[in-house]
Amino acid sequence: SAVISQKPSRDICQRGTSLTIQCQVDSQVTMMFWYRQQPGQSLTLIATANQGSEATYESGFVIDKFPISRPNLTFSTLTVSNMSPEDSSIYLCSVIRTGTNYGYTFGSGTRLTVV
Amino acid sequence: ILNVEQSPQSLHVQEGDSTNFTCSFPSSNFYALHWYRWETAKSPEALFVMTLNGDEKKKGRISATLNTKEGYSYLYIKGSQPEDSATYLCAPFQGAQKLVFGQGTRLTINP
Repeated sequence: SAVISQKPSRDICQRGTSLTIQCQVDSQVTMMFWYRQQPGQSLTLIATANQGSEATYESGFVIDKFPISRPNLTFSTLTVSNMSPEDSSIYLCSVIRTGTNYGYTFGSGTRLTVV
Repeated sequence: ILNVEQSPQSLHVQEGDSTNFTCSFPSSNFYALHWYRWETAKSPEALFVMTLNGDEKKKGRISATLNTKEGYSYLYIKGSQPEDSATYLCAPFQGAQKLVFGQGTRLTINP
């Protein structure tokens, strides 16, 4: 199955700044998913990133706040813009594992703290 | 919005004891249920994919059962070890190529 390299693994950022998270996959994949887990909450889907088209955002998430790039079939970035303490979360990228009824392989996660 | 509930949210178990926890999900439009184990500072790791009502899967000391008619799955851990400490996530797949996760059960094994 695919191997995903995600970075940074953690960061502490000042409010009002932006952070870009990168995910590199070792094989070509059509769809990449970006999730976040706020403290005490479930893993929540932010958006689905498709190569060659704009990302599809879930209810409650907007492109201005979480712009996504997908320049090719192995790479994607998620930017958390104009951060506030409420953005403190673990952010994960994931791809579908073929032949697993849509199971995922995940990146190692980015633990973000906004102060 | 798909409603996935896991209980309990947190669990402390003595080393060597057995334990179990629950995932509840809507029974309509069911395709598959995924269980993941998520250890701190690591990626969530796939444990099981279950598709059929009455399915039972086993991986070492961990097993899971599935009831698609009533919409629940149980995860069992026999003879808990410290390395079992993790958050256990369930996610039913019901179409649209995306998983919806429960809040997870945070399991701590006390030596």
